[in-house]
Amino acid sequence: QLQLQESGPGLVKPSETLSLTCTVSGGSISSVGSHWAWVRQPPGKGLEWIASVYYSGTTYYKPSLKSRVTISIDTSKNQYSLKVRSVTAADTAVYYCTREEASTSFDWGQGTLVTVSS
Amino acid sequence: QSALTQPPSASGSPGQSVTISCTGTGSDVGGYIYVSWYQQHPGKAPKLMIYDVSKRPSGIPDRFSGSKSGNTASLTVSGLQAEDEADYYCSSHAVTNSAYVIFGGGTKLTVL
Repeated sequence: QLQLQESGPGLVKPSETLSLTCTVSGGSISSVGSHWAWVRQPPGKGLEWIASVYYSGTTYYKPSLKSRVTISIDTSKNQYSLKVRSVTAADTAVYYCTREEASTSFDWGQGTLVTVSS
Repeated sequence: QSALTQPPSASGSPGQSVTISCTGTGSDVGGYIYVSWYQQHPGKAPKLMIYDVSKRPSGIPDRFSGSKSGNTASLTVSGLQAEDEADYYCSSHAVTNSAYVIFGGGTKLTVL
């Protein structure tokens, strides 16, 4: 059974870079047809799709976040990562990593809360 | 890229049916079959309930159904049960200058 686990700092200072990693187990990150995505949810608010990556390295970004976000993949470690630069309090959220097929997130990690605060 | 439009709340009594709408544009909901619905209980990760407009993943009861007409997709929950009380989010494949995924603002479903 596929499992996704987010990891990274729970607290980031304003203007710094938020970095998260998703470790995939129970399956290969190089699986044909699977894209690997990040979705976030600010406290008490709705879901926001951030970006996705394919094992080939092809990336997709939410247009309004593209200038601050980088998603990358390491097939040798079965992991993929997210970096959000120049963070503000508005980036405070639970960050989920997901497995996508055709723009649908079939599998989700448990989520990790990242707080932006000095 | 404004979020897809969902009603903030919906409600129904046990056994009744309720329908939640999700309105977008021709660049997302209206242009593709890749519309999905997720259920989220408090403090939990979202769970996929419907994909490709009307398909159910394994294990999802047939009380949950999806449809689409033009730029509006709908989720119908029939035979409401107490455990259906949750937040529901729609999402869609979207393309402007590039491809991405867009979510709706979410609907709080209350079972009266």
